[in-house]
Amino acid sequence: AQSVAQPEDQVNVAEGNPLTVKCTYSVSGNPYLFWYVQYPNRGLQFLLKYITGDNLVKGSYGFEAEFNKSQTSFHLKKPSALVSDSALYFCAVRDGGENTDKLIFGTGTRLQVFP
Amino acid sequence: DVKVTQSSRYLVKRTGEKVFLECVQDMDHENMFWYRQDPGLGLRLIYFSYDVKMKEKGDIPEGYSVSREKKERFSLILESASTNQTSMYLCASSLFTANEKLFFGSGTQLSVL
Repeated sequence: AQSVAQPEDQVNVAEGNPLTVKCTYSVSGNPYLFWYVQYPNRGLQFLLKYITGDNLVKGSYGFEAEFNKSQTSFHLKKPSALVSDSALYFCAVRDGGENTDKLIFGTGTRLQVFP
Repeated sequence: DVKVTQSSRYLVKRTGEKVFLECVQDMDHENMFWYRQDPGLGLRLIYFSYDVKMKEKGDIPEGYSVSREKKERFSLILESASTNQTSMYLCASSLFTANEKLFFGSGTQLSVL
């Protein structure tokens, strides 16, 4: 069965500093990996996805994520954080080896960017 | 612009009531999903549907049922609401293939008293 873990409940970073939000996954086949962001009182918005190809994926709002097959990780990164990046971030995985459209989410990481 | 609309933003119900949460998408998507979001637990999949009248259980289907009579509408039903079903409920839709992103509604905050 597929699963995804976000080991940090909260990440704090100063504005202008680089940020990393961690995600690891477990699937039986090839993973389809996603990052979503949730701003206060809003639904989730898609940030980026990895399906195949280049391990570094670029997405919305200057975010990127690096797929690492050997470490089964898909960490979200941004070179320079903004206060407006403060939100709840979710990693999600679909198992490409299973005949299912099930998308499983992690528990979420709250990013707090301080001025 | 693509849209997933959930009928209520806030809902308060009493224990034992039958509750309907409605979700409509205007993108002609095959897949539709219901998740609940709880602090510290993230999003957990309740049910999903990949076609009209088709449904599959997610990870926490107990106490819930769903209905998909038309492609654009996916309803979540709490047959007899209980206090442990107090939660934020999120509906989402996507195209049929597994590498497609989900589009989410704004959510329904359900309180069962």
